[in-house]
Amino acid sequence: NAGVTQTPKFQVLKTGQSMTLQCAQDMNHEYMSWYRQDPGMGLRLIHYSVGAGITDQGEVPNGYNVSRSTTEDFPLRLLSAAPSQTSVYFCASSKRADIPYEQYFGPGTRLTVT
Amino acid sequence: GQSLEQPSEVTAVEGAIVQINCTYQTSGFYGLSWYQQHDGGAPTFLSYNALDGLEETGRFSSFLSRSDSYGYLLLQELQMKDSASYFCAGPDTGRRALTFGSGTRLQVQP
Repeated sequence: NAGVTQTPKFQVLKTGQSMTLQCAQDMNHEYMSWYRQDPGMGLRLIHYSVGAGITDQGEVPNGYNVSRSTTEDFPLRLLSAAPSQTSVYFCASSKRADIPYEQYFGPGTRLTVT
Repeated sequence: GQSLEQPSEVTAVEGAIVQINCTYQTSGFYGLSWYQQHDGGAPTFLSYNALDGLEETGRFSSFLSRSDSYGYLLLQELQMKDSASYFCAGPDTGRRALTFGSGTRLQVQP
């Protein structure tokens, strides 16, 4: 099992560009989520999904879109990149779809917006 | 939402025992999770307390008191590789999601 995979590992964008961060898991987990982590800070939830076709907003959803067409994939789209979106982005999955106490994280995408 | 408070930094020496506390806003029947994150790495799941009391996993133990909205992570026989950030996480009161504390940076010194 590869677990949770994310691509790319690093990305530099110019202000106003759009891009999609990819996330996939091969554990057949119903629950998937996206977090951002700024230097020296905790994890803040962007969006989450409790199953294919179902997504919901987290704490900091503005500027991001998600979709969940399959159980395995949960891409995060940045609509128009801003310097404030410079961060490390983590995707995670959980077997439990009610409260995801035990989450498995991908290696992260380090995004810089200039 | 939910609010979880942790100390920002803790320092201890190799071989010692250290306790990292976590207090949260909402009392009730809520569990608490703990995650470890090394610099430059991804968070990894350590433990989950569904009920009050102590859960032990090797050198690490985690405790929860739901009536006090309080938990802690106990690390014994500290090793240099335990130097990392530790996050407590509890259920978001408005969503089917976890809210993470801001993390405690543990420095283990020789």
